[in-house]
Amino acid sequence: SQKIEQNSEALNIQEGKTATLTCNYTNYSPAYLQWYRQDPGRGPVFLLLIRENEKEKRKERLKVTFDTTLKQSLFHITASQPADSATYLCALDFLQGAQKLVFGQGTRLTINP
Amino acid sequence: DARVTQTPRHKVTEMGQEVTMRCQPILGHNTVFWYRQTMMQGLELLAYFRNRAPLDDSGMPKDRFSAEMPDATLATLKIQPSEPRDSAVYFCASGLDYIGDRDRRETQYFGPGTRLLVL
Repeated sequence: SQKIEQNSEALNIQEGKTATLTCNYTNYSPAYLQWYRQDPGRGPVFLLLIRENEKEKRKERLKVTFDTTLKQSLFHITASQPADSATYLCALDFLQGAQKLVFGQGTRLTINP
Repeated sequence: DARVTQTPRHKVTEMGQEVTMRCQPILGHNTVFWYRQTMMQGLELLAYFRNRAPLDDSGMPKDRFSAEMPDATLATLKIQPSEPRDSAVYFCASGLDYIGDRDRRETQYFGPGTRLLVL
């Protein structure tokens, strides 16, 4: 069965540094991969989407890469700020049904001032 | 600013009682998803609908859970009878599916969740 692993449950980064989160998967590569942010007590919020034929996508301080050979996506936050502290979830879209997504367990990121 | 709304936000009930959770998707969206989130299992898909028709409810315990969309503005998730292991946060999400167009995949918009505690 498909497995998704996000690096370590928690990650602590010093403010101003680049935070890098990893999403690894087994078996089949998704057609799309999405990253979401979740704050305590709230629902996940969409951040970025990358297609299988795209290597990299950027949005302001965020960057996502997608390597179907390594079966891995990396999510980078540059010039990190305490406000970036949250749990980040990767979600895989295998084009099954209507927008069906398979979510990873998430990585809890803390940016220390 | 269109949002997915969910009620109630919090629910405490006793084992054996019926629980009904409601969701109002974003107007114009044609897909609705129900998820359950726990520390142990993360975010699990329970069921989802497109154009109000159920597409997949294989993630749901069939004997006690049921999901419906009485109309385009309301989705419900019922648990009867509830058990302590059902304690979790239940999220509803909605989205727009361009049927058959694999080049247009959209995001999902999540509601604030219903935090359920079954004693």
